Amino acid sequence: DAGVTQSPTHLIKTRGQQVTLRCSPKSGHDTVSWYQQALGQGPQFIFQYYEEEERQRGNFPDRFSGHQFPNYSSELNVNALLLGDSALYLCASSFERYGQFFGPGTRLTVL
Amino acid sequence: AQTVTQSQPEMSVQEAETVTLSCTYDTSENNYYLFWYKQPPSRQMILVIRQEAYKQQNATENRFSVNFQKAAKSFSLKISDSQLGDTAMYFCASEDGNQGGKLIFGQGTELSVKP
Repeated sequence: DAGVTQSPTHLIKTRGQQVTLRCSPKSGHDTVSWYQQALGQGPQFIFQYYEEEERQRGNFPDRFSGHQFPNYSSELNVNALLLGDSALYLCASSFERYGQFFGPGTRLTVL
Repeated sequence: AQTVTQSQPEMSVQEAETVTLSCTYDTSENNYYLFWYKQPPSRQMILVIRQEAYKQQNATENRFSVNFQKAAKSFSLKISDSQLGDTAMYFCASEDGNQGGKLIFGQGTELSVKP
């Protein structure tokens, strides 16, 4: 049983560009959450998707958007990249309240 | 707003000994869950243990157990018989809302297990 997968592993972009990160949830999970983790910090919640709709959103600007597909996989899009967007982006999947299971993350570097 | 505080940025323990990591939280919810996650240097976040707030009994998973003090809003993690592979950053987290919402993480405790 595959766990949560994310792609790509690493990404380098320049300021002003746009990026799309992808996540496939663990089998049997229907909810996907995205987090941003700066170096040396705990993850910060970006948003959560359930039944293809954004269910909750953290304190992130509209430059951060997402999507969930019928097969429960998800994308995180970030427009107009800033240097401060450099971070590890984590995807987590869950089913009801049994705990969120994380993927390995995508390391985004903005130059 | 919910907050989670881990007051120990770093800790170390000798292999085979026991260590306790502290966590306090603040929430106005009645129905919430608490978690400990482990993030080794390879960076994948791993769920260690889960506690439902309405359950009095402390959760246990093999060598990992919690001391959940609901009135004090304290949720510490005890690791028994520490192993070298336990070396990692440990995060305490609370989950708010009745639908299984966002996780609020603490700042983390970096645990080093020494041989």
